[in-house]
Amino acid sequence: KAGVTQTPRYLIKTRGQQVTLSCSPISGHRSVSWYQQTPGQGLQFLFEYFSETQRNKGNFPGRFSGRQFSNSRSEMNVSTLELGDSALYLCASSTGVAGVYEQFFGPGTRLTVL
Amino acid sequence: AQSVTQLDSQVPVFEEAPVELRCNYSSSVSVYLFWYVQYPNQGLQLLLKYLSGSTLVKGINGFEAEFNKSQTSFHLRKPSVHISDTAEYFCAVSDYQGGADGLTFGKGTHLIIQP
Repeated sequence: KAGVTQTPRYLIKTRGQQVTLSCSPISGHRSVSWYQQTPGQGLQFLFEYFSETQRNKGNFPGRFSGRQFSNSRSEMNVSTLELGDSALYLCASSTGVAGVYEQFFGPGTRLTVL
Repeated sequence: AQSVTQLDSQVPVFEEAPVELRCNYSSSVSVYLFWYVQYPNQGLQLLLKYLSGSTLVKGINGFEAEFNKSQTSFHLRKPSVHISDTAEYFCAVSDYQGGADGLTFGKGTHLIIQP
């Protein structure tokens, strides 16, 4: 069974631009969660989507948004990029709601904002 | 809201020695507890989880953890470590309602195995 895939693996953007990251969950998984990982703040929960609906949202500004498609694939978008958005963005999928069912993580997308 | 504190940011241990990575949590409701491992340039992998039942939980790669409700702790242990255990270890918590705050992670503990 293929694991969680994230594309692209690396991205370099400049301040003010916007970016879209993609996540393909494990086949059959209906929940997709996104996390931001930085050396200073560690791993922080962004949001969770379950069956195309946003189920939970972390404490991030509205510049961070996401969506989930009918095939469970998910995208997250960051608009008006800031230097502080440089981070590793991790996607995780699970068969049921995150926090109860085991989450399987992708390798992440490394975003650098210049 | 829930929170997780990993008391050590870095733990150096000699190969074949035992190790304990400490984790304390706080929450106003009952919780589920997890330990994840992250190898360099990779995503996270679940080591073990506590949902209910026996407070001693066994996971992969010889790791185990003990849930202590009175001390709100979930420390991770391994009796004998190997070079391959060098990685970042994260403790995480979610509430029974499936994570109104999502999965909350600690800051991580870097386990360094010395030959």
